[in-house]
Amino acid sequence: DVKVTQSSRYLVKRTGEKVFLECVQDMDHENMFWYRQDPGLGLRLIYFSYDVKMKEKGDIPEGYSVSREKKERFSLILESASTNQTSMYLCASRGSGITGELFFGEGSRLTVL
Amino acid sequence: GQNIDQPTEMTATEGAIVQINCTYQTSGFNGLFWYQQHAGEAPTFLSYNVLDGLEEKGRFSSFLSRSKGYSYLLLKELQMKDSASYLCAVIDSNYQLIWGAGTKLIIKP
Repeated sequence: DVKVTQSSRYLVKRTGEKVFLECVQDMDHENMFWYRQDPGLGLRLIYFSYDVKMKEKGDIPEGYSVSREKKERFSLILESASTNQTSMYLCASRGSGITGELFFGEGSRLTVL
Repeated sequence: GQNIDQPTEMTATEGAIVQINCTYQTSGFNGLFWYQQHAGEAPTFLSYNVLDGLEEKGRFSSFLSRSKGYSYLLLKELQMKDSASYLCAVIDSNYQLIWGAGTKLIIKP
């Protein structure tokens, strides 16, 4: 059974704290993605990676960074969390086909106080 | 700009049929996805259309008209477990996924 696992389902952090969200996939996929999901808005792409150590900015990269040191792991970092980063964060992976389906993790709900 | 439109919320009755529409204006088109997302869970893949016409998969069918920039997801014999959000997403000319805001489907007994 294929799986994308996100490290934390729920986090509460204070403004200015550093936040790490980790994502691991067991499907040997090349492509990995970080989205945020907010009510009334479609999924918005923060960053994606098509290979180890490669990263590309998505639509809303400001305030975020990522790391992909191993093929199966893609981390999202908030260097200094702010209240407007309170959101649901979804990690996804996809194989090499550009039109292939995405496999999502269950999400990490982050609240920044 | 690029835009995907879906109704925000729909209500239907158990056992009935419901059609969820999605219209899109994107720079190019390389396919359209439908995903299902139960509350608090990950989105899961339902269908992919790249050619015009109807694709049937059990109780769920997805239709595409590229000339009209239009798709719909048809759910038959509705069950309570079909209560979820349904997300439409289009692959544009740069092979980027553009997402709609999703349609929350409420099934009533």
